[in-house]
Amino acid sequence: DADVTQTPRNRITKTGKRIMLECSQTKGHDRMYWYRQDPGLGLRLIYYSFDVKDINKGEISDGYSVSRQAQAKFSLSLESAIPNQTALYFCATSPGLANTGELFFGEGSRLTVL
Amino acid sequence: AQSVAQPEDQVNVAEGNPLTVKCTYSVSGNPYLFWYVQYPNRGLQFLLKYITGDNLVKGSYGFEAEFNKSQTSFHLKKPSALVSDSALYFCAVRDSIQGAQKLVFGQGTRLTINP
Repeated sequence: DADVTQTPRNRITKTGKRIMLECSQTKGHDRMYWYRQDPGLGLRLIYYSFDVKDINKGEISDGYSVSRQAQAKFSLSLESAIPNQTALYFCATSPGLANTGELFFGEGSRLTVL
Repeated sequence: AQSVAQPEDQVNVAEGNPLTVKCTYSVSGNPYLFWYVQYPNRGLQFLLKYITGDNLVKGSYGFEAEFNKSQTSFHLKKPSALVSDSALYFCAVRDSIQGAQKLVFGQGTRLTINP
């Protein structure tokens, strides 16, 4: 089983619908992240969480919200999806303060908004 | 603010030849530098990192990278390319200063190794 699991792996939805992408991890890491990947733009950080009570906005948080339900679970929500949110979304984890920055990624969730 | 640039969208190399994928960065303090690889339909995988010490770091699958402080570069290299090295490669940087806890990624370079 993967250490960082994302569901769903693929989702097609319509403009205005609410969508939730879920991430769970078995690595025991405190820190979790949501990134968005677009061709030619690399990965951009949406939200990150350093522990269950800590949520921080990344560089492109508008239109998104997150919930850290437990140390192992971090979900990303699109309250009202729009076509320019069509992208590949990645969840990632890392250990705590001793970590130098290495991230461990899930397999990705491909979202298409029509 | 920290940033990273990968000047080449695509690099094509013949199998058996050496390869280089370029990366330059900008940070306020000392950089923590990373290379990740993404194979089709997969998440990113860590290849190697530079934190401190020897400017030449070695990583997975025979890859290495050279940190050059004066040129603010961290180019990825491999002496002899394999077809299986074909993938999307991302350079990333984190500032070592207190509070800078996030990785910033470049736009990616697609490496194609031709048989």
